[in-house]
Amino acid sequence: AQSVSQHNHHVILSEAASLELGCNYSYGGTVNLFWYVQYPGQHLQLLLKYFSGDPLVKGIKGFEAEFIKSKFSFNLRKPSVQWSDTAEYFCAVNSGGGADGLTFGKGTHLIIQP
Amino acid sequence: DSGVTQTPKHLITATGQRVTLRCSPRSGDLSVYWYQQSLDQGLQFLIQYYNGEERAKGNILERFSAQQFPDLHSELNLSSLELGDSALYFCASGRFSTDTQYFGPGTRLTVL
Repeated sequence: AQSVSQHNHHVILSEAASLELGCNYSYGGTVNLFWYVQYPGQHLQLLLKYFSGDPLVKGIKGFEAEFIKSKFSFNLRKPSVQWSDTAEYFCAVNSGGGADGLTFGKGTHLIIQP
Repeated sequence: DSGVTQTPKHLITATGQRVTLRCSPRSGDLSVYWYQQSLDQGLQFLIQYYNGEERAKGNILERFSAQQFPDLHSELNLSSLELGDSALYFCASGRFSTDTQYFGPGTRLTVL
């Protein structure tokens, strides 16, 4: 079975600081990888996804993630965060060739202080 | 706005009752997924339908069932409700069975 670990449950940063949120997955086969964001009181929105190809993926709002197959990792990065990035961030995975639903990590609650 | 709609937005009911949650996918999407988000379990995949047929099952309880209708909307039925069923229930849709999933706003279920 697949599993996803997000190591940082709560992160507090100041505006303009750089961000890196860790995500490791456990699955032996081909995977699709996702980062979703949930702003307070809102639904999950897709930030970026990796299916295949270039392991460095660029998403919306200046976010990017790098797929490192050897480390089973898909860390999310942003060079300079803004107060509006305060939200819950979820890493998710599903099998590359199958029809499974997404397996989510527990989420990282990010607070950006002005 | 993802284009996925869910009704109702909030639902308050009592233990032992049965409720139905409704989801309309984005235009053109054939796949519908249901997820449960709770504080202790996090986000869990429940079940997927693709073009009217059940495609994949996750951690769905036997008291829960779902279906997808010919117009592609889906309903999640929760019966014999328990306090622990209180959660946010999200629906997501995608174009193909393995496509990116777009989430709806959720239904917050409170069981008293």
